[in-house]
Amino acid sequence: GQQLNQSPQSMFIQEGEDVSMNCTSSSIFNTWLWYKQDPGEGPVLLIALYKAGELTSNGRLTAQFGITRKDSFLNISASIPSDVGIYFCAGHETSGSRLTFGEGTQLTVNP
Amino acid sequence: GAGVSQSPSNKVTEKGKDVELRCDPISGHTALYWYRQSLGQGLEFLIYFQGNSAPDKSGLPSDRFSAERTGGSVSTLTIQRTQQEDSAVYLCASSLWGGVQETQYFGPGTRLLVL
Repeated sequence: GQQLNQSPQSMFIQEGEDVSMNCTSSSIFNTWLWYKQDPGEGPVLLIALYKAGELTSNGRLTAQFGITRKDSFLNISASIPSDVGIYFCAGHETSGSRLTFGEGTQLTVNP
Repeated sequence: GAGVSQSPSNKVTEKGKDVELRCDPISGHTALYWYRQSLGQGLEFLIYFQGNSAPDKSGLPSDRFSAERTGGSVSTLTIQRTQQEDSAVYLCASSLWGGVQETQYFGPGTRLLVL
């Protein structure tokens, strides 16, 4: 089935640095979502985007729904140790409820 | 309960055995989803239930996989004649009505290891 291409696969940064990750697809998505997963837990929704071009912030997180509807990025500013985890992009390719996920970005923040 | 719960949290089984994984969605949520997460991978959709509608089974990888949802609440995912490639984390999620603008809330998952 359709896969989302997420990059980078992993990032190692210093506390206080900004982080950027992105997802692309070969087909149009109707929604873009960004989730964070901590070890041993299920993913938790961070930001949801519903319109092409939409730019949304949630605290230190900012995400955008690409104008072509085939891409999205997530920025984290001034990273802190608790930002460590795996970040997934996801989206609805059609009007159905099933989500398609990217392969994740493993973020490590060194204090 | 306050969130989605799943049991067992871990399951080790021998190749060829059947396993049952349980999901308790958030009370009042009519939509329930099962996903599979292989090591180092993203989540892969398996099956979706919404109210009394026929489930969307389009993500089930083989006929060894089945799921049911009794009484519109608890769901059980059954894997028959397990294979080593079935080893993964099985995640359940629920949402209020299944709308695309609703948040899907995930449980902690069941970690399945097939020896």
